[in-house]
Amino acid sequence: DTAVSQTPKYLVTQMGNDKSIKCEQNLGHDTMYWYKQDSKKFLKIMFSYNNKELIINETVPNRFSPKSPDKAHLNLHINSLELGDSAVYFCASSQDVSQPRNGYTFGSGTRLTVV
Amino acid sequence: AQKITQTQPGMFVQEKEAVTLDCTYDTSDPSYGLFWYKQPSSGEMIFLIYQGSYDQQNATEGRYSLNFQKARKSANLVISASQLGDSAMYFCAMREGTGGTSYGKLTFGQGTILTVHP
Repeated sequence: DTAVSQTPKYLVTQMGNDKSIKCEQNLGHDTMYWYKQDSKKFLKIMFSYNNKELIINETVPNRFSPKSPDKAHLNLHINSLELGDSAVYFCASSQDVSQPRNGYTFGSGTRLTVV
Repeated sequence: AQKITQTQPGMFVQEKEAVTLDCTYDTSDPSYGLFWYKQPSSGEMIFLIYQGSYDQQNATEGRYSLNFQKARKSANLVISASQLGDSAMYFCAMREGTGGTSYGKLTFGQGTILTVHP
């Protein structure tokens, strides 16, 4: 069983389109995240949710909207896609951050290409 | 200012040799955690090892150990007996504090590409 699963794995779309990436974790973790990895492999947090509540919202264009219907799911919706949105998007989850020894579990990533 | 700095864009090591990947960090928070992740060419992020700021001993996990020098703010990853499968990108990351608006946030370094030669 995959611990953190993201769909789709690859997404190719035209500029201006709206797309969603879904994420589900079956680890019972309380906190979920979205990270963006750019073309230079740099990873930066976008959002985090704890028990469906938005905790972190980094400087991300408001075209990006996360939605957490329950604590096992965190989806990312992107409106009016731009060329610069091309990147790999990782979903991750973690248990109580005061007990981090098991680390943060990442999904396999979604490679988004905007053409 | 960079919170996590990995100064080695690329490293090469001979199979079966040990290699050290450097990581320095910057924080004023007394409570923080340091992580290392491996990203092979397939793209997934694999958790390797964790060191807490209050841990008295350096963390070890199999062939991975973390050389934690708190006063120097460094958390270098040591891989012993390198294997061909260790060839990958390696990221150092830090979590500061345990609450507030940075709850659980991991800040990553730029990464180091490790190549293991046979």
